[in-house]
Amino acid sequence: EAAVTQSPRNKVAVTGGKVTLSCNQTNNHNNMYWYRQDTGHGLRLIHYSYGAGSTEKGDIPDGYKASRPSQENFSLILELATPSQTSVYFCASGDAGTGYAEQFFGPGTRLTVL
Amino acid sequence: GQGVEQPAKLMSVEGTFARVNCTYSTSGFNGLSWYQQREGQAPVFLSYVVLDGLKDSGHFSTFLSRSNGYSYLLLTELQIKDSASYLCAVRDRANSAGNKLTFGIGTRVLVRP
Repeated sequence: EAAVTQSPRNKVAVTGGKVTLSCNQTNNHNNMYWYRQDTGHGLRLIHYSYGAGSTEKGDIPDGYKASRPSQENFSLILELATPSQTSVYFCASGDAGTGYAEQFFGPGTRLTVL
Repeated sequence: GQGVEQPAKLMSVEGTFARVNCTYSTSGFNGLSWYQQREGQAPVFLSYVVLDGLKDSGHFSTFLSRSNGYSYLLLTELQIKDSASYLCAVRDRANSAGNKLTFGIGTRVLVRP
């Protein structure tokens, strides 16, 4: 049974619209992460969280917000979507058990902004 | 600053081996992870190294040289199904949050018959 799930799996949005990507994990991990993956750039960290109620900026946070209402759920919010945010987005979880070196990834969300 | 470099592509032959190189620069190295990512799928953790030397995990082995900022992932007895991208990721103690990983672009390994 998948431990990290994402919804939706595919999303088409219009420029200027609001997009919310959701992530749920059943690993009971404290840390959760949002990445985007683009050709030539690899995985880049957008936001992360240490636990419920916390959100931290990653390496490319501009244009994105995050919300961690509970241990299990972590959302990524694009208030005003732009075509440059077209990408594949991955959520991941991890904890101190593996020194945070091992992250468990969700299946990804393919977002297209027209 | 911190950077992780990998070659974009690598081709090899079934039954032989492939070595995926990774070089990194960091102000406070705190471990290096390797992930496998098949086309259209999520990355999957393979290995973690923090000490110098070779770590043999059977089909996959990993090597680390901290003084040279270098690691490689060695895939032996290659099978067609080993065709995938292999991602190198470095954990930096000096980050304000030491739990972040910085990923390279990934090396796409193609195994041909």
